[in-house]
Amino acid sequence: DIQLTQSPSFLSASVGDRVSITCRASQGISTYVAWYQQKPGKAPEVLIYAASTLQSGVPSRFSGSGSGTEFTLTISSLQPEDSATYYCQQLKSYPPLTFGGGTKVEIK
Amino acid sequence: QVQLVQSGAEMKKPGASVKISCKASGYIFTSYTLQWVRQAPGQRPEWMGWLHVGNGNTKYSQNIQDRVTITRDTSASTAYMELSSLRSEDTAVYYCARVGLAISGPDYYYYMDVWGQGTTVTVSS
Repeated sequence: DIQLTQSPSFLSASVGDRVSITCRASQGISTYVAWYQQKPGKAPEVLIYAASTLQSGVPSRFSGSGSGTEFTLTISSLQPEDSATYYCQQLKSYPPLTFGGGTKVEIK
Repeated sequence: QVQLVQSGAEMKKPGASVKISCKASGYIFTSYTLQWVRQAPGQRPEWMGWLHVGNGNTKYSQNIQDRVTITRDTSASTAYMELSSLRSEDTAVYYCARVGLAISGPDYYYYMDVWGQGTTVTVSS
């Protein structure tokens, strides 16, 4: 199975800050990565797929980059509504389609 | 609009089975793959398996492949996930999700673009 390791597991930042979350894969997965945002009690929602393609309707402050084994989700200007947990998922090799451990983003 | 609506919360005893439904609307049901994902409290999502709705083919996670069955009723635009021999560690929120597809040259990129609202399954004696 391909393992995904996210860092940090928690971050606290202020409104307007630029924040980045890293996802590292245990083996190369090209650009077969999606990023999801999950708020408490809700289902995840896709933000980015194919490592860097913004899902329709997602604010442009979200961006994704990377290939191979290292990927980054960046929020260019953090907003209050971005308080959530973020997960990466690899869709290169299955079963299983694995998720990262999550990064909880808190607004100071 | 495109949506997936799941059946309600379930409470089961260890050893029992649970069957969750996922009703699709707003799109052609047989044109997409559906995945099932579960999330135990405070844990990362765990992929359970997927269903090619058009032909009924399935693929399951090796962790649970002996206990899980995913089916569909195309006339009702509904998919089902049944998990048997329940144990306490199966307590989780269970989600169905539609698989979106983006094609770029020779590459096929999948992602979960529409999710159900989740079904809480509690396993307790």
